[in-house]
Amino acid sequence: AQSVSQHNHHVILSEAASLELGCNYSYGGTVNLFWYVQYPGQHLQLLLKYFSGDPLVKGIKGFEAEFIKSKFSFNLRKPSVQWSDTAEYFCAVIRITGGGNKLTFGTGTQLKVEL
Amino acid sequence: KAGVTQTPRYLIKTRGQQVTLSCSPISGHRSVSWYQQTPGQGLQFLFEYFSETQRNKGNFPGRFSGRQFSNSRSEMNVSTLELGDSALYLCASRKRDRRGTEAFFGQGTRLTVV
Repeated sequence: AQSVSQHNHHVILSEAASLELGCNYSYGGTVNLFWYVQYPGQHLQLLLKYFSGDPLVKGIKGFEAEFIKSKFSFNLRKPSVQWSDTAEYFCAVIRITGGGNKLTFGTGTQLKVEL
Repeated sequence: KAGVTQTPRYLIKTRGQQVTLSCSPISGHRSVSWYQQTPGQGLQFLFEYFSETQRNKGNFPGRFSGRQFSNSRSEMNVSTLELGDSALYLCASRKRDRRGTEAFFGQGTRLTVV
């Protein structure tokens, strides 16, 4: 069965620090990849997505992610975090072959940015 | 344009009861999926509907069911509620039933079973 792993469950950073959140998936076929963010009390919002093409994708609020097919990874990065980035971050994968439109989510990473 | 609307936002039910949750997708979106979010299990896929047909189903017992209407609105029903069904239930809509289209999520319905 396909699974998505997020290695960091809780991350605490100071403002202006750099961020990298890891995401690995187990399926070897073609996939669509996503990072969603859930701010406290708000709904899940799409940060960025990878469907095809340039493996380095840029999203909203200065976030970017790199798809490395050989490593089955899609890590999220931001060079300088802000207090307002405090939220829970979810990596998600859609398996293109035979998976329908089912999003398989990682367990999430709770990010806290301190002033 | 209005986002995905889920009603009610909060619900408290007793064990053994049943519950129906509603989701109105973004106008023009025809695909609706449901997810359960709990602290222990994270976000888990329940089912997906497109054009009133269930296209995909997750690993949940038969007590969990859903349907989609001709206007793309969807309902999810849980019968014989158990304490473990307490969760945030999220609905997501897509414009098309195709890979490569992103899902937009509603704010969810917080179900508490007592």
